[in-house]
Amino acid sequence: KAGVTQTPRYLIKTRGQQVTLSCSPISGHRSVSWYQQTPGQGLQFLFEYFSETQRNKGNFPGRFSGRQFSNSRSEMNVSTLELGDSALYLCASRWGQFTDTQYFGPGTRLTVL
Amino acid sequence: AQRVTQPEKLLSVFKGAPVELKCNYSYSGSPELFWYVQYSRQRLQLLLRHISRESIKGFTADLNKGETSFHLKKPFAQEEDSAMYYCALSGHGGTSYGKLTFGQGTILTVHP
Repeated sequence: KAGVTQTPRYLIKTRGQQVTLSCSPISGHRSVSWYQQTPGQGLQFLFEYFSETQRNKGNFPGRFSGRQFSNSRSEMNVSTLELGDSALYLCASRWGQFTDTQYFGPGTRLTVL
Repeated sequence: AQRVTQPEKLLSVFKGAPVELKCNYSYSGSPELFWYVQYSRQRLQLLLRHISRESIKGFTADLNKGETSFHLKKPFAQEEDSAMYYCALSGHGGTSYGKLTFGQGTILTVHP
């Protein structure tokens, strides 16, 4: 099976703009989680979607949002970008509804200037 | 609240030496523990999951609920083991859905 894919792989934006990142899970996986990875804070959970419903959300401001489509593909959106949003954004998919191994994509590297 | 602590940011060993990467956790319940590894220029990938009790690439990890630890061990390190290692915890229930809590990671370098 193909692994988790993320597009685009790299993005450069300026402060105040908004950005949309895309994640395609492994075929058959219905849960998608998003993480932000930075050198200072490490890997932090953003939110999780299962069957088009957001079931869990991390401690991030409302500028961070997401959605999931009926084919399990997911997008996350960051509005009014700030310099501190520069990070590697990872998505992970898993088959089960509850605890199960998460499989990670390669990430989208977002740079905010 | 759930927390994962990896006390060593950097760990260096020589090839053939034993290696132990430490992981301690805090969680009020029975968590699931994982070790993920990230090799240079590769994506994060699962190394071990405590529930499966497998040995992958010679690595093992035992969940010690009394000490709330999940240390990763390998008796003879290889140069190809050089990578970043993350310990992660998954809880149960609504606030844990789809959420892995990661430690800060340990960079392992195996010298020839």
